[in-house]
This record gives sequence, C-alpha cells and structure tokens, in this order.
Amino acid sequence: SQTIHQWPATLVQPVGSPLSLECTVEGTSNPNLYWYRQAAGRGLQLLFYSVGIGQISSEVPQNLSASRPQDRQFILSSKKLLLSDSGFYLCAWAGTRGFAEQFFGPGTRLTVL
Amino acid sequence: GQQLNQSPQSMFIQEGEDVSMNCTSSSIFNTWLWYKQDPGEGPVLLIALYKAGELTSNGRLTAQFGITRKDSFLNISASIPSDVGIYFCAGQFGNQFYFGTGTSLTVIP
Repeated sequence: SQTIHQWPATLVQPVGSPLSLECTVEGTSNPNLYWYRQAAGRGLQLLFYSVGIGQISSEVPQNLSASRPQDRQFILSSKKLLLSDSGFYLCAWAGTRGFAEQFFGPGTRLTVL
Repeated sequence: GQQLNQSPQSMFIQEGEDVSMNCTSSSIFNTWLWYKQDPGEGPVLLIALYKAGELTSNGRLTAQFGITRKDSFLNISASIPSDVGIYFCAGQFGNQFYFGTGTSLTVIP
C-alpha cells in the first residue's frame, strides 16, 4: 500500500532563516506530487506541483521554491523565511486514477517568529 | 486561482442529526470530490464522483454530482462526534483542479 511521509512535524524558525521541508512517498511510481499551504482555519492553497523528476510548476509567486530530486521525493525550500510563511504545509500525491484523487501527508506546522 | 464556494462555512449540530453541505462553481467540472480534514492532520479523500447526476455513498456519507456539473452535495446521516472536522469539496476539469473553501463541522454530544 502507498504511504506518504512528511518531516519535520513541527518547526519553529526565526525570520530570515532558511527552510527545508521534505516529503517522500512509498509504494507507488511516478506520482504527481503537490505542496499546499493552509493558514489557520482557512482553505488549501496550492504552491507547487510536479509531474516528474526535475519538473516543477509554481502556482503562486513567493519566496518559496520546490525541487524533486528523486521520483518519490519532493522538497519545499526557502532561503529566507518571512512571518507570512507561517502555516500548515501539506504534501500530497496522486496516481493513475487521476490527479484529482490526492492523498495527503500528515503535514508540517511551521511557525516563523 | 478559482475557488469553489462551499456553504455553510460552519455548522454546529447535535449528535444524531443529519448534515447537508454543498459546493458551487461558476464553471463546469468533470470530477467532484469530497475530503475531510481532522484537526491537525492532512485531508482524507471521502468520495469521488465522475458523472453528472451520480449519487455515491460511503457509509453514512452520501455525495451527489449535480446535473448542471456546477455543484455537488454531501450529506452525513446520524452524525457522531468523530464527524467533527473541515469538509472540503474539490473539482477537476481537464488540467484544472480546485479546492473549496471548506465547511467546518462541530458535533455536540
């Protein structure tokens, strides 16, 4: 069966510090991968998606970037965090049943101080 | 990008009551989905609908793909405390995929 992992689970970082969040998927090949951000009590904002290794599409201009160095690994990064980067970051994958059927990881709670 | 409008935004109901929520769009979709997010966790897919007029159940949950293809409905029968959470609809058309704004459900024991 497929599983998706995210780490760390929680993170507190100072403004201006770098960020690296990691997401890995097991039990499937060539998944579509997604990064979302969710502000407290709000909806899901799609940040990046990837249909293959090295292929990244950005939905929202920002100081974040994403990379996909391996088929089942998706990384979200920033060189300098802003206060507004605080939120709940979710990674998701979709497979052969269509990219609308997405399966989410447990999330990373990021607080920027 | 476009967001789907869900209503109501929040609901407070007594345990045992039935729940109805809906999702509307100005554009048509080929696929409608419903997700549930428990507090502090990632959303989980509940039901996927692929055809206008389709009615699909998953336990106490029933969802319908509106015949206009611009809306979808989710019903929960005989609510229980573990139904608490945020319910998101999602719609897909071609390469476009959007999540709804969410309905927060609180079940009072």
